[in-house]
Amino acid sequence: GENVEQHPSTLSVQEGDSAVIKCTYSDSASNYFPWYKQELGKRPQLIIDIRSNVGEKKDQRIAVTLNKTAKHFSLHITETQPEDSAVYFCAASAGGSNYKLTFGKGTLLTVNP
Amino acid sequence: GAGVSQSPSNKVTEKGKDVELRCDPISGHTALYWYRQSLGQGLEFLIYFQGNSAPDKSGLPSDRFSAERTGGSVSTLTIQRTQQEDSAVYLCASSPSQSQPQHFGDGTRLSIL
Repeated sequence: GENVEQHPSTLSVQEGDSAVIKCTYSDSASNYFPWYKQELGKRPQLIIDIRSNVGEKKDQRIAVTLNKTAKHFSLHITETQPEDSAVYFCAASAGGSNYKLTFGKGTLLTVNP
Repeated sequence: GAGVSQSPSNKVTEKGKDVELRCDPISGHTALYWYRQSLGQGLEFLIYFQGNSAPDKSGLPSDRFSAERTGGSVSTLTIQRTQQEDSAVYLCASSPSQSQPQHFGDGTRLSIL
């Protein structure tokens, strides 16, 4: 089955700096890659997603890049703010389906004022 | 409702008891998913519903776990003869269809004493 590795497990940055979180996946048939933000005690919220026919997608300060050949994708947050502090999860759809998401173990991002 | 609703938000029960967790998906969403999130871990897929049918139950950990969905809406996840390792946050998500982004509820935090 699909395996998703996420790095780093923790990341601390200064306000205004950029943050990058990287994920690798094992199933070459995976074609959908969402990113979720989860604040402490709250529900995971979808912040951006990308499909395998696109190499990059941007939404204001957040961007995701996908390298299908290398089977890795990354989340980039620019001009970080304290409210960006949360756990971020990457995920990949397994076996070419769009419903069965396999998640990474998460990255705890701390943005220091 | 505005989002996915889950109840109860917290459940504490004794080992060996049965528990029932409820999920109300976003109105009109035909696809519904259950995930489990253990402390410090990513989300683990349990089961997927399309309408009232469950085409994929492959993530259910044992035959003590079952789920049903009625009227293409509400779903219940039942855990029989609970064990301490069942302690986790159980998250429900829904999407308009299989190929569209999943939106999560707040989860039920289950604690087995």
